[in-house]
Amino acid sequence: GAVVSQHPSWVICKSGTSVKIECRSLDFQATTMFWYRQFPKQSLMLMATSNEGSKATYEQGVEKDKFLINHASLTLSTLTVTSAHPEDSSFYICSARGGTGDSSPLHFGNGTRLTVT
Amino acid sequence: KQEVTQIPAALSVPEGENLVLNCSFTDSAIYNLQWFRQDPGKGLTSLLLIQSSQREQTSGRLNASLDKSSGRSTLYIAASQPGDSATYLCAASQGGSEKLVFGKGMKLTVNP
Repeated sequence: GAVVSQHPSWVICKSGTSVKIECRSLDFQATTMFWYRQFPKQSLMLMATSNEGSKATYEQGVEKDKFLINHASLTLSTLTVTSAHPEDSSFYICSARGGTGDSSPLHFGNGTRLTVT
Repeated sequence: KQEVTQIPAALSVPEGENLVLNCSFTDSAIYNLQWFRQDPGKGLTSLLLIQSSQREQTSGRLNASLDKSSGRSTLYIAASQPGDSATYLCAASQGGSEKLVFGKGMKLTVNP
């Protein structure tokens, strides 16, 4: 089945630094990947849609200059949290569709736990 | 705007029971609905995907149904096991896009 790999699984950084999270589709190509954020005991909130070869589409209220998304190839999307602050501490999860259109299930990475001190 | 609700937020049952997990959504113009499982501190595992044209999907002990007219989906878990303990999330597509809107999930505990 389709596998999405996310790295790192956890990271601790100091306030003001930047952190890059990678999301890879291991056995399929994904023209579109999605980045979600999850707070404790809350649902997943879509942050942005990452499109290969073009700019990401951000959801309302998500700062595009703070959460930089790059989708340089059909198997890799990266999310960079710039100038991280403690309120950015959260669980970030990426996903990709294993096929084209809405007929294929969405597959998720194992998530990245970000802690900003 | 699509909104997805899962009630109750948590459920604790003895092993062996047949379970019904409920999900409701506000916009019936969905492309599909997907059920996921999330273990603590982990990502999501896709369980079942139901297309808008389908009424149900089955995988092993799991069966998911979809009733667009009433804005409801149900996940049935037969003969529950302690290994089924996890948070179950329901997600419905939003309008004509690939975006999924998630419910807050239901934390299931199956006691041996």
